[in-house]
Amino acid sequence: ETGVTQSPTHLIKTRGQQVTLRCSSQSGHNTVSWYQQALGQGPQFIFQYYREEENGRGNFPPRFSGLQFPNYSSELNVNALELDDSALYLCASTWDRDTEAFFGQGTRLTVV
Amino acid sequence: KNEVEQSPQNLTAQEGEFITINCSYSVGISALHWLQQHPGGGIVSLFMLSSGKKKHGRLIATINIQEKHSSLHITASHPRDSAVYICAGGGSQGNLIFGKGTKLSVKP
Repeated sequence: ETGVTQSPTHLIKTRGQQVTLRCSSQSGHNTVSWYQQALGQGPQFIFQYYREEENGRGNFPPRFSGLQFPNYSSELNVNALELDDSALYLCASTWDRDTEAFFGQGTRLTVV
Repeated sequence: KNEVEQSPQNLTAQEGEFITINCSYSVGISALHWLQQHPGGGIVSLFMLSSGKKKHGRLIATINIQEKHSSLHITASHPRDSAVYICAGGGSQGNLIFGKGTKLSVKP
């Protein structure tokens, strides 16, 4: 039990639709990072939020966007879904940079 | 460029064997994490290292900063240790840069 919860656990969407994934971090963790993990691959960094501001971004297009809220929850939004967006999406919260990361169970998104 | 490479990709062991998984990382990685991922996706943090050695139960992690190399050891392996083990480096943006993982299968 990591104290980080993600919802939903599974989701099926149609190409072109929009999706919102949610993450509830541990209380007191100011930093949340989102990762995309394709089947058989290691997770890839999407972006990080620190105190409600985007603090770093990986090589993902602008249709991947996020929000972080004062209650330690956050969202990942993906517009104009493509088939290649099918993956496991993981959020990880930390108290600060270079501290232990706590991961949620992930949301498995399937785009058809 | 920040990179993390780990080996082997796949590892099969008999119950009771001593297991070592290796990880090499490039300049720019600040801290090294060892993570465990079970089927279904959830990731659990095992260790975070920036120097020396850490031990938790049957798991031991070491890091050599000069050689930019870390190892994860499992003593007296058990079938319940079967999982994907991932090393990840703390990148300059505060994110984690993941290796591709080592799929460990421990046979009874």
